[in-house]
Amino acid sequence: AQKVTQAQTEISVVEKEDVTLDCVYETRDTTYYLFWYKQPPSGELVFLIRRNSFDEQNEISGRYSWNFQKSTSSFNFTITASQVVDSAVYFCALSPSGTYKYIFGTGTRLKVLA
Amino acid sequence: GAVVSQHPSWVICKSGTSVKIECRSLDFQATTMFWYRQFPKQSLMLMATSNEGSKATYEQGVEKDKFLINHASLTLSTLTVTSAHPEDSSFYICSARFGAGVGSGELFFGEGSRLTVL
Repeated sequence: AQKVTQAQTEISVVEKEDVTLDCVYETRDTTYYLFWYKQPPSGELVFLIRRNSFDEQNEISGRYSWNFQKSTSSFNFTITASQVVDSAVYFCALSPSGTYKYIFGTGTRLKVLA
Repeated sequence: GAVVSQHPSWVICKSGTSVKIECRSLDFQATTMFWYRQFPKQSLMLMATSNEGSKATYEQGVEKDKFLINHASLTLSTLTVTSAHPEDSSFYICSARFGAGVGSGELFFGEGSRLTVL
């Protein structure tokens, strides 16, 4: 079975704090893609990152960083020095290679308080 | 970058009427589009895969007669909610595949369409 678990339903932090959003996935496929999307209150999904299963290098993009650990089937997302504009729902998604079907986690609602 | 646009962004209709939502890929040809449904404060659930020039493939539990999907061109897919009822009220999001071949993986999402059925 393919599944994505985001155990944190809601997180509140104070501005400038670091925050990590957890994502654990299940798949029997050896080739797959993992994604993170941001969904602000307006509703549109904003693409943040795509990672294929053969690339376990961690990635940093500005205040955002991702830690992909195949051994634990996790793809966690860290926001450093959080800002109010980071407040949104963040979704982790899994896509088996070749299908383009995304299996979304239930999302984590992040509230960054001023 | 690639852009996917949905119209209308929100719609209110009376129970029993049909509503059509359009999904367009603005600067690329999309052979495959996907329709998702999102209930308030919940995740996105794939409803169907729309292939240009052929019938859509529906996920288990999705009524194909209720949610009609047409993908008549490489840049347009439409979702028609037929005889809408209040339980059909939801946020509908389309996405389009960009890139050829197996495994390119990336989808671009529309802005979503919020349907409220009174």
